[in-house]
Amino acid sequence: GAGVSQSPSNKVTEKGKDVELRCDPISGHTALYWYRQSLGQGLEFLIYFQGNSAPDKSGLPSDRFSAERTGGSVSTLTIQRTQQEDSAVYLCASSPRASGGTNTGELFFGEGSRLTVL
Amino acid sequence: GNSVTQMEGPVTLSEEAFLTINCTYTATGYPSLFWYVQYPGEGLQLLLKATKADDKGSNKGFEATYRKETTSFHLEKGSVQVSDSAVYFCALSPGGGNKLTFGTGTQLKVEL
Repeated sequence: GAGVSQSPSNKVTEKGKDVELRCDPISGHTALYWYRQSLGQGLEFLIYFQGNSAPDKSGLPSDRFSAERTGGSVSTLTIQRTQQEDSAVYLCASSPRASGGTNTGELFFGEGSRLTVL
Repeated sequence: GNSVTQMEGPVTLSEEAFLTINCTYTATGYPSLFWYVQYPGEGLQLLLKATKADDKGSNKGFEATYRKETTSFHLEKGSVQVSDSAVYFCALSPGGGNKLTFGTGTQLKVEL
């Protein structure tokens, strides 16, 4: 498909386990974002990639959270030693770069990975 | 820092009623403003946007006008349909658009 693809769509894990969430952005989109959506809360920014580098990782809640992007394409969000408060829907979005070189601000979202930590 | 405040939901309307969802923002400089919509079981998608003061974004019968003097970007629709039932998110992006800051979302329920 042509949209942003995320996997797994659902993940149930036990407290203390590590999880990896994957995002395949739209081909050619240079910017990639991870957000977290918790019940009753808005979208919480986690990290932003431009190409393979992450100029803004200010939203990562703790050092248990990390993310990488390879080949300017696929990104993986890793949560180590999961806690119950990590339960949320993790959203990935990608965005093209405008002709002037800046990001357009228009994000294309995947359907998310729902993480439940027991 | 940047922030977006939107009215709490859920908002419940009858079909063909007029809709307003309020959104105000705090930002430095001249941000771009967006409304995103999340239909049940689907990912967020862009509904409309405005990039400068007095711009009006419109799509699918929805409109919002960028009001710099009141720092607002209220979403309106003249006649809602059951199919408009969704969660609506107001968002801003600073000039240069590195990331979006979202409001908490407003759930709209439209009944027959």
